[in-house]
Amino acid sequence: ETGVTQTPRHLVMGMTNKKSLKCEQHLGHNAMYWYKQSAKKPLELMFVYNFKEQTENNSVPSRFSPECPNSSHLFLHLHTLQPEDSALYLCASSQEVSRAATNEKLFFGSGTQLSVL
Amino acid sequence: AQTVTQSQPEMSVQEAETVTLSCTYDTSESDYYLFWYKQPPSRQMILVIRQEAYKQQNATENRFSVNFQKAAKSFSLKISDSQLGDAAMYFCAYRSARETSGSRLTFGEGTQLTVNP
Repeated sequence: ETGVTQTPRHLVMGMTNKKSLKCEQHLGHNAMYWYKQSAKKPLELMFVYNFKEQTENNSVPSRFSPECPNSSHLFLHLHTLQPEDSALYLCASSQEVSRAATNEKLFFGSGTQLSVL
Repeated sequence: AQTVTQSQPEMSVQEAETVTLSCTYDTSESDYYLFWYKQPPSRQMILVIRQEAYKQQNATENRFSVNFQKAAKSFSLKISDSQLGDAAMYFCAYRSARETSGSRLTFGEGTQLTVNP
């Protein structure tokens, strides 16, 4: 049990499909994150939810739509993706003391390896 | 903007030997945090060690230690008595200590470490 669970582990989708990535954390944390990891590139922060409110959107295209229904669950809805969106999508969580503060200790899931054909 | 550079895409070490992974960063800030994360084949990112910039003493976690040279903006990771389980991709990361920076971690491109038996 890693504490942060991501499903599915692998996903292959066409450019016209709609799919969702799911992340669930069992650590009682109140902040959750989506990161994109592309081959030979640094991890890129996509979205941050702190106390269920989106506090960061790192200029992510609208074909990626996050949803945080509660502090334990985070989704990333995908539609009309492009082949260059193929990457490993990592979810992370952390325990924050307030909406403004951030804790640098992130706990990551094992990611969803996404392939867009 | 801050940048993190890992100049060694790949490194290898013999089991029980010592290896040092390099990381340099660029920032105009004086207060920040630095991290090393490990990503094994399971893909889950795991925090190995962290360093606060205001602390002169180098952080140590068991067989893992850092050489933090603030003036040189260098943050190398030393792994002593290397074990087969240390084989992974290692990422260096930077985070500003300013609250307004949010939870943004800036990652390097990673160093793939191979441990030879």
